[in-house]
Amino acid sequence: AAGVIQSPRHLIKEKRETATLKCYPIPRHDTVYWYQQGPGQDPQFLISFYEKMQSDKGSIPDRFSAQQFSDYHSELNMSSLELGDSALYFCASSPRLAGGPGEQYFGPGTRLTVT
Amino acid sequence: AQTVTQSQPEMSVQEAETVTLSCTYDTSESDYYLFWYKQPPSRQMILVIRQEAYKQQNATENRFSVNFQKAAKSFSLKISDSQLGDAAMYFCAYRGVRTSGSRLTFGEGTQLTVNP
Repeated sequence: AAGVIQSPRHLIKEKRETATLKCYPIPRHDTVYWYQQGPGQDPQFLISFYEKMQSDKGSIPDRFSAQQFSDYHSELNMSSLELGDSALYFCASSPRLAGGPGEQYFGPGTRLTVT
Repeated sequence: AQTVTQSQPEMSVQEAETVTLSCTYDTSESDYYLFWYKQPPSRQMILVIRQEAYKQQNATENRFSVNFQKAAKSFSLKISDSQLGDAAMYFCAYRGVRTSGSRLTFGEGTQLTVNP
């Protein structure tokens, strides 16, 4: 079965640089979520999109922005990178069911290292 | 705001034995879902089991089962016949249906070691 695809899998950036993470959801999944997992921490919700519109917003820094495109893939743009942004970034996708959002399926994550 | 608490940072179990991981949560919502996710060393997040709050029957998936106590806001995971491949970080997670959108809120995690 098709899974969530994230690219790149690993990314190394320097402070103050920008980074773009990409997420390709499972086919026919119209909702995308972004989570950030710092070292030794649990995943923290950043933002989500449903049908290309922002549906929920968590603890996402103002330096970050995201969007969902017409083909449902999503990009997380991170500017003015800081050392504390080093983390594993997960994308998850879910279908929209009659009773609401379905199960969230996680991608393998993008490991971002800021030096 | 919803919170999820896992009070056991680390647990260990002998292969083939049973272990129970604890989770409590706090919410004012009446309709929600609870999950256990497994994160092995690969860091992939793998759904283990899910429980709908409106269901009284505890969910079961092969060797994994939960003890859901809605009034006590408790949601523990029991792993029977533990296998070496069960070694991982386990996260308890909450998802509201209405007021909190569809985001997952995770607990701090429990690192499970399986001893041969």
